[in-house]
Parts: sequence; structure tokens; C-alpha cells
Amino acid sequence: DTGVSQDPRHKITKRGQNVTFRCDPISEHNRLYWYRQTLGQGPEFLTYFQNEAQLEKSRLLSDRFSAERPKGSFSTLEIQRTEQGDSAMYLCASSLRAQAEGTGELFFGEGSRLTVL
Amino acid sequence: AQSVAQPEDQVNVAEGNPLTVKCTYSVSGNPYLFWYVQYPNRGLQFLLKYITGDNLVKGSYGFEAEFNKSQTSFHLKKPSALVSDSALYFCAVRVWTNAGKSTFGDGTTLTVKP
Repeated sequence: DTGVSQDPRHKITKRGQNVTFRCDPISEHNRLYWYRQTLGQGPEFLTYFQNEAQLEKSRLLSDRFSAERPKGSFSTLEIQRTEQGDSAMYLCASSLRAQAEGTGELFFGEGSRLTVL
Repeated sequence: AQSVAQPEDQVNVAEGNPLTVKCTYSVSGNPYLFWYVQYPNRGLQFLLKYITGDNLVKGSYGFEAEFNKSQTSFHLKKPSALVSDSALYFCAVRVWTNAGKSTFGDGTTLTVKP
């Protein structure tokens, strides 16, 4: 079990460019989540998948953000036309679907830090 | 809407003393409550959770937390702090009707001094 891995760990880009982050969850986990964290704040929910189905998207996720999990394994989070306000740590987490909905803990990756100049 | 408050940005304790990190929540329905810890340059790690049953739950590294429904609180405690407990602690809440979304507090930095 290698844990949740995220790539790249750091990304510096210019405003207006597109960026893509990848997340590889723990292999037996069927749920995958994306969160965003800024300095001094707790993680904010963006979206989550069960297998390949995207079940919920936060209103924080503007049209410039898209997430996919095409084969129910790894996921990508793409940000188009980046803005300075997109600068944050993007966290990926995975979990098993627990017997009782909502009771399973999350396993987080180390995050992908985005800096938009 | 669900929310979590961690009223203290910083908690300082001496090694060997008991520690408490506070968390209060607001949800509609029964809450599922979690504590996570974040060490520098590391991802968030699960510490413990309350789902149902005994109000006192025990977790990793000697931590425990007490669920208090009337006060809508879930404070994290440890009887004897270690310097290695110094980290950033997050409280989170979920409800079964919105099971995919965890709402986190803004975190409390715990510093344990030798």
C-alpha cells in the first residue's frame, strides 16, 4: 500500500495558462475526493467520485475547473485560464465506501501546490 | 449547511501536561465527526472518529475525543502531551445525507514545549 500520491507536488504557472493535477488513490479505494486548501484555512470540498461517477461538485468549482476519473482509478483535476485566486494547495483523498454512508475516514495525499503569477 | 468551528488558532502546552483542542459543529441531523492531524510537509492523517455509541472515542497516538451532543462539541484530548504531538489539527464533520462532503474547521496549531 503506497498511499495516495499526487503529481506534480508544485506547479508555478502564469495567469491564463491551463494546469492539470493527477491523483492516484489507494488501489482498493473506490471513492476519490478533491479539496482545496489556502493558508490558514481548512480544506474546502471541491468534488468527489465513486468509481468513475462524479457524484457531487461544490459551487466553488467554477466552469474553469473540471475533474475526471475515467476508469475509476486515478483522477485528474484541470484548471483552465488560471487566475491568481486559484493559488492554493489542491488535496486529493480516497476512501472505501463504508457500510454506513459517510462514516469512512479519508486518506489524503501530500497535495499539489499551485502558484499563479 | 454544515459548519465546524475551532475557536483557538493556537494551543500551547508543556510536555507532560494534558492537552485539549476544541471543536464545535453545526449540522442538520446526526453528525459524523473526525479529527485529522497535519505535520509539516505531510498530508492530513486520520486520528479518530465518532460515528455512534460511546461518547468517548480513542484513536491513534494516545489521543481521545469526547462527543457532547448538547454542546455540539467534539474536543480532542490527550492526558500527557509529547513534543512530537506538535502539529496542525483539523476537526471535520459529515452527515449521511451528504456523505461525500466533509466540512473542516480552519485548524488549531498545537505546540508542545519541552
